[in-house]
Amino acid sequence: KNQVEQSPQSLIILEGKNCTLQCNYTVSPFSNLRWYKQDTGRGPVSLTIMTFSENTKSNGRYTATLDADTKQSSLHITASQLSDSASYICVVSAIGQAGTALIFGKGTTLSVSS
Amino acid sequence: KAGVTQTPRYLIKTRGQQVTLSCSPISGHRSVSWYQQTPGQGLQFLFEYFSETQRNKGNFPGRFSGRQFSNSRSEMNVSTLELGDSALYLCASSADGGETQYFGPGTRLLVL
Repeated sequence: KNQVEQSPQSLIILEGKNCTLQCNYTVSPFSNLRWYKQDTGRGPVSLTIMTFSENTKSNGRYTATLDADTKQSSLHITASQLSDSASYICVVSAIGQAGTALIFGKGTTLSVSS
Repeated sequence: KAGVTQTPRYLIKTRGQQVTLSCSPISGHRSVSWYQQTPGQGLQFLFEYFSETQRNKGNFPGRFSGRQFSNSRSEMNVSTLELGDSALYLCASSADGGETQYFGPGTRLLVL
C-alpha cells in the first residue's frame, strides 16, 4: 500500500535554531517527492520538488534531501524564524497505468518561539 | 499573474444539502486538482481535471463530483452532505498536472 509517514507530528523550537523534519515513504512506482509549507488558514506552498536522481535541493533556508534507496526524505530548516511556524507536508507522486497518484503525509506542525 | 482563487471562502450547510465550490486556476494552467483537508486525515486527493476531462480520481464516494469548463475554471459538487464532510477544500492548478501545483486559499465548509 502506498504510504507517506512524517515525523515528528509536531515540533517546538526556539527562533534561530535549526531543525530537521522526516518523511518516509512506501510508494511505487516513484516519480517525485515534494515538500509543501502550509501557513494556518492558507493553501500549501511548494518548497521543493525532487526526482529520483536528485539527492538534495535548496530553497533559501530550506534544504531537502532524498535517499531513494531507503525511501527517506528530510527537510532541514536553518536559522529558523517566527514565520517558519507552519505545517510542512511531504507529498510523493507515483505514476501508474491509472495516471498520476499523489500520496500525502499528514504533516509536521512546526512552532518557532522567540 | 493572479493566483488560484476559490469561492466562497467559508460556507455553512446542514446535513442532506448539497454544495458547489468554485475554483479559478492561474491563467494558462489547464490542470485543476481538488483536495479535502481535515485535521485527522490530512490532505486527501479528490480528483484532477485536465482540458475538461477527469484525468485522475481519488477514493471518495460518488457524492463528490466535479467538472471543468473550457476556460479551465472548475467546480466541485458535494451532494447529500454529511457531518464528516466538514473540511477545508483546496484547489490546485498546474500547467500540466506533473509540474508544481499552486494551491488556492481553500473553502472552509462546515456541515451542521
